Amino acid sequence: DAGVTQSPTHLIKTRGQQVTLRCSPISGHKSVSWYQQVLGQGPQFIFQYYEKEERGRGNFPDRFSARQFPNYSSELNVNALLLGDSALYLCASSLGRGNTEAFFGQGTRLTVV
Amino acid sequence: RKEVEQDPGPFNVPEGATVAFNCTYSNSASQSFFWYRQDCRKEPKLLMSVYSSGNEDGRFTAQLNRASQYISLLIRDSKLSDSATYLCVVSDFNKFYFGSGTKLNVKP
Repeated sequence: DAGVTQSPTHLIKTRGQQVTLRCSPISGHKSVSWYQQVLGQGPQFIFQYYEKEERGRGNFPDRFSARQFPNYSSELNVNALLLGDSALYLCASSLGRGNTEAFFGQGTRLTVV
Repeated sequence: RKEVEQDPGPFNVPEGATVAFNCTYSNSASQSFFWYRQDCRKEPKLLMSVYSSGNEDGRFTAQLNRASQYISLLIRDSKLSDSATYLCVVSDFNKFYFGSGTKLNVKP
């Protein structure tokens, strides 16, 4: 079975641009969460989506948005990129909501220059 | 105060040693607890869930103390392949909170 897949794996953008990151969960998983990980820190929670609805949001500005599609795949959008948005963006899928184990994709490494 | 706090380490131990990590969390309403390991520049991988009664998986033992709001991970008979960063994770149903991780270096 395929695990969590994310695309692209690497991305370079300039300040002020917009970016869209994509995630396909494990087959049968209905929940997708997004995280930002900067070097030397643990992943920081951005969003959780379950059954196509936002179920949780972390402390990130409104420049960050996401959605989940009927096939449970998800996109994370970041507008007006800042240098500080440079990070590894991780997607995790799980069967249900927060109490269930989450499995991560390999991440998208975003560099903002 | 951070939701989840861990000693960043590094813990440098010889092969075969026993090593223990602790993690504290701030939200007493937290419902689920996990340990993940993360290798350099890779994604976190689930190591084990943590239950109130404590649980063991081979050389790994996890404990949860709800009264004191801390979680522990014990690794026995350390292997070189155990070298990684260990992330403590706490969930309040809608959100996962990660600690910053504890780095373990197992030396020959």
